[in-house]
Amino acid sequence: DAGVTQSPTHLIKTRGQQVTLRCSPKSGHDTVSWYQQALGQGPQFIFQYYEEEERQRGNFPDRFSGHQFPNYSSELNVNALLLGDSALYLCASSLGQGMTYEQYFGPGTRLTVT
Amino acid sequence: GESVGLHLPTLSVQEGDNSIINCAYSNSASDYFIWYKQESGKGPQFIIDIRSNMDKRQGQRVTVLLNKTVKHLSLQIAATQPGDSAVYFCAEIYRDDKIIFGKGTRLHILP
Repeated sequence: DAGVTQSPTHLIKTRGQQVTLRCSPKSGHDTVSWYQQALGQGPQFIFQYYEEEERQRGNFPDRFSGHQFPNYSSELNVNALLLGDSALYLCASSLGQGMTYEQYFGPGTRLTVT
Repeated sequence: GESVGLHLPTLSVQEGDNSIINCAYSNSASDYFIWYKQESGKGPQFIIDIRSNMDKRQGQRVTVLLNKTVKHLSLQIAATQPGDSAVYFCAEIYRDDKIIFGKGTRLHILP
């Protein structure tokens, strides 16, 4: 049973560029959430996708957008990258919408913005 | 402010001893709490959860205690093992289903 997978593992981008990160949920899960984790900090919730729609959103600007596909996989897009966007981006999947369902996290994508 | 915090950034414990990791929360409307373990290079892993209508919950070698009077949450790990070395996060969920993570406590196991 495959767990949550994310790609790429590492990524280096320049300020102003755009980036797309990908996530495949754990088999059988239908909900994907994205988090940003700065070095030495706890994860911060970005948004959650269920049934191909954004259901919840944290305090992140519109530069952060996402998509969920019919197979439940998801993408996180960040436009006009800033240095402060450098972080570990975590994807978590669950069976069911909302935060009270157990979330399974992937290993993350390390994004460095120079 | 409405945030989840931790008392100690680093905790060193002798192997075999019990570990206690603390967390303070400020939102009295939070009704669900989760402890996560994050090992180096990995995403957070669910350990145990507790709802606000409970004050104690036990799992395998772990116990979570919730004191709503002083808004305090703790994770107790019995007979700490080298594999318990990680950063531990508490997270609180508000009634409108928002989740907030604390900054984390690093647990260091002494041989």
